[in-house]
Amino acid sequence: QSALTQPASVSGSPGQSITISCTGTSSDVGSYNLVSWYQQHPGKAPKLMIYEGSKRPSGVSNRFSGSKSGNTASLTISGLQAEDEADYYCCSYAGSRWGVFGGGTKLTVL
Amino acid sequence: QITLKESGPTLVKPTQTLTLTCTFSGFSLSTSGVGVGWIRQPPGKALEWLALIYWDDDKRYSPSLKSRLTITKDTSKNQVVLIMTNMDPVDTATYYCAHTHTVTPAFGFDFWGQGTLVTVSS
Repeated sequence: QSALTQPASVSGSPGQSITISCTGTSSDVGSYNLVSWYQQHPGKAPKLMIYEGSKRPSGVSNRFSGSKSGNTASLTISGLQAEDEADYYCCSYAGSRWGVFGGGTKLTVL
Repeated sequence: QITLKESGPTLVKPTQTLTLTCTFSGFSLSTSGVGVGWIRQPPGKALEWLALIYWDDDKRYSPSLKSRLTITKDTSKNQVVLIMTNMDPVDTATYYCAHTHTVTPAFGFDFWGQGTLVTVSS
């Protein structure tokens, strides 16, 4: 299995919205609505932000939303805040109780 | 509340075997649907799923590392152990263990340990 494809970096100004894409194949993203998204600040463990494509765990801001179209999943952050600056990773279920991560995207808040 | 913590050596020599232990609390690995996974992250690089063990003792491994990995659980001790053989400098990374569930968060990892940095060097 190959890693899912994410843009290396995205940026936006405070208050704006940004979208991070995560492209897989018909064997992972395209076959299951089981994409999760993680936020990771430097030196910290990843934090689950979205699961099952669009669900937010308790405590995660509703500024974070997830969607999917075909083999590509997306994470949208609206009303960008300075604290959103971090690395973001997608992960998709790929069948047989296994999954695959994306290569990560660095979000810069200008 | 759910917590996980990784423990093991911080420095191993090339060709040696790495043994990491994940000690957790707040859930049981005998509960249907529960899984504990190991994920690593080389410095400045992406996350990589290594291995995962489920409540029913089903074990899954990264296809590229399968020959070098063994994952086991001790339900009575609330521990999951990962063994990686024939360590190489490219295996230098922070190793995380994390909790998942087949229903919610449906194979997402909702709780993570703090991670442990393992350096492979002679």
